[in-house]
Amino acid sequence: DIQMTQSPSAMSASVGDRVTITCRASQGISFSLAWLQQKPGQVPKRLIYSASTLQSGVPSRFSGSGSGTEFTLTISSLQPEDFATYYCLQFYSYPLTFGGGTKVEIK
Amino acid sequence: VQLVESGGGLVQPGGSLRLSCAASGFTFSNYWMTWVRQAPGKGLEWVANIKEDGSEKYYVDSVKGRFTISRDNAQNSLYLQMNSLRAEDTAVYYCARDRGSAFWGPGTLVTVSS
Repeated sequence: DIQMTQSPSAMSASVGDRVTITCRASQGISFSLAWLQQKPGQVPKRLIYSASTLQSGVPSRFSGSGSGTEFTLTISSLQPEDFATYYCLQFYSYPLTFGGGTKVEIK
Repeated sequence: VQLVESGGGLVQPGGSLRLSCAASGFTFSNYWMTWVRQAPGKGLEWVANIKEDGSEKYYVDSVKGRFTISRDNAQNSLYLQMNSLRAEDTAVYYCARDRGSAFWGPGTLVTVSS
């Protein structure tokens, strides 16, 4: 099984900060990675797919990069509505696996 | 795109439930479909996938032999038959479109408890 390791597991940041979240795969997954955002009490929402393609309607301050085993989600200027938990998901091989999540909290 | 799950509830250990997911707003028969679950206060866990025509199905190890994913393309519906339920199956169950989970339903809560 492919393990997805996210870091950090939690972080505090201020509005306007640049935020970077990393996801490492235990083996190569090409570009088969998605990033999702989940706000408390809400349904997960996909932000990025195929490692770097922005989902329609998602603000351009979100971006994704990477391939193979290392991937990053960057929020260029954190907004109040971005405080949430972020998950990566590999869909390269079965079983599909999520990262453990990164909780972004207000500093 | 709209996905709406139903069928959750309280069930005793060893019992069964059948979850349904009604899809609309897209051509259901053109997409892989996914079930994902989230235990209370925990992260997301992929449960199962089914190919567009139902010919391929995949499961996480912890549910193999107990859960069955299926679909009815004529009814635009996805199903998850859950047997031999355990306390650790307690979670909100979401259906999602495609393997990359592009769109999600609101989820249905399954509680396994005596």
